[in-house]
Amino acid sequence: GQNIDQPTEMTATEGAIVQINCTYQTSGFNGLFWYQQHAGEAPTFLSYNVLDGLEEKGRFSSFLSRSKGYSYLLLKELQMKDSASYLCAVRDGDYKLSFGAGTTVTVRA
Amino acid sequence: IAGITQAPTSQILAAGRRMTLRCTQDMRHNAMYWYRQDLGLGLRLIHYSNTAGTTGKGEVPDGYSVSRANTDDFPLTLASAVPSQTSVYFCASSSTSGGTDTQYFGPGTRLTVL
Repeated sequence: GQNIDQPTEMTATEGAIVQINCTYQTSGFNGLFWYQQHAGEAPTFLSYNVLDGLEEKGRFSSFLSRSKGYSYLLLKELQMKDSASYLCAVRDGDYKLSFGAGTTVTVRA
Repeated sequence: IAGITQAPTSQILAAGRRMTLRCTQDMRHNAMYWYRQDLGLGLRLIHYSNTAGTTGKGEVPDGYSVSRANTDDFPLTLASAVPSQTSVYFCASSSTSGGTDTQYFGPGTRLTVL
């Protein structure tokens, strides 16, 4: 199985940068995903890492270290619309995802 | 239809009743999944299907059953609902071709069992 940990809540100011960490212990690893979920809505895909290193996509970047069982999601130039939950998920060899409990990010003006 | 649809959007159900949650996708994805999401616990996998005609158990399968008669549809049935099954249920689908194979989620069904 998978054990995935991420902080419960984070607060930041509009225009700032926030880094959401995710650590995992797995019985099999076939990629790590980050999803964004606004309140009352479905999760939507943000990023995917399967090799070590940084993946950049506009204001969002995601980093992976497989040897450390560690990932982070970096949100730059925060906007009010970035207030949401961010879900870290690890995929196993059978293409099943295991999710962390999610990190609620609140952006203040 | 574009993507994944779920029905109903929400439902209030008496304990002991049978209920089927519907999920349909039009992306021709071979794999489909059912999750429940509860406050503080995140998304947990109930059942999955890697291809039409096959299903598998996830982390929390007890009290639920699924079928996969064709590629597009993946209904979830609660045979005799209990209050602990009150949750938000999400269906998802993906390909499993060896690439990114992102899972895409439906809008969810909010179920309350009284």
